[in-house]
Amino acid sequence: EAGVVQSPRYKIIEKKQPVAFWCNPISGHNTLYWYLQNLGQGPELLIRYENEEAVDDSQLPKDRFSAERLKGVDSTLKIQPAELGDSAVYLCASSHGAGGSYNEQFFGPGTRLTVL
Amino acid sequence: DAKTTQPPSMDCAEGRAANLPCNHSTISGNEYVYWYRQIHSQGPQYIIHGLKNNETNEMASLIITEDRKSSTLILPHATLRDTAVYYCIPGGGSQGNLIFGKGTKLSVKP
Repeated sequence: EAGVVQSPRYKIIEKKQPVAFWCNPISGHNTLYWYLQNLGQGPELLIRYENEEAVDDSQLPKDRFSAERLKGVDSTLKIQPAELGDSAVYLCASSHGAGGSYNEQFFGPGTRLTVL
Repeated sequence: DAKTTQPPSMDCAEGRAANLPCNHSTISGNEYVYWYRQIHSQGPQYIIHGLKNNETNEMASLIITEDRKSSTLILPHATLRDTAVYYCIPGGGSQGNLIFGKGTKLSVKP
């Protein structure tokens, strides 16, 4: 079974340019997460989807970041315009969301963004 | 959300047990303790979780103190491939979010 797929793996852009990241979760996983990870830090949640609905976007900087999960499967995270401080790894994760104690999230390899 | 304290780094000899401690003294009664690890240039990977009882799976063992204020992740026979950052995360089950700290960077040495 394929894991969480993310593309691109690496992206270099100039500041003020737009950028988009794509995520394909594990088949059947209803819950999808986007995280941001700065160097030397743990991942920080940006947004969480339950199917098509964004149930927690409290940490998403909405002035420049947007996300969508059409049809409750693939998701796209966009930054427009990018700033120097947005350089980081953007991780996508998915989970079954079946309830109970089991909170195993499956992470993709991430997209490393460099803003020049 | 409960705060955690983990040593920033630890070394372990290959083949020996790696014992990674975590202090979570503010954990609430219904919060589980999750452990994830992140190998360089990869996304985090789930290891194990527990509430009160000790747990064991094919990857590791989790020892939780009776007062639940701390826990220890045990890798019984560490290999070079276990070199990673290990995160201890109190959390509320599948409906809750994971809040990652800085974790412990474990270096397994030959």
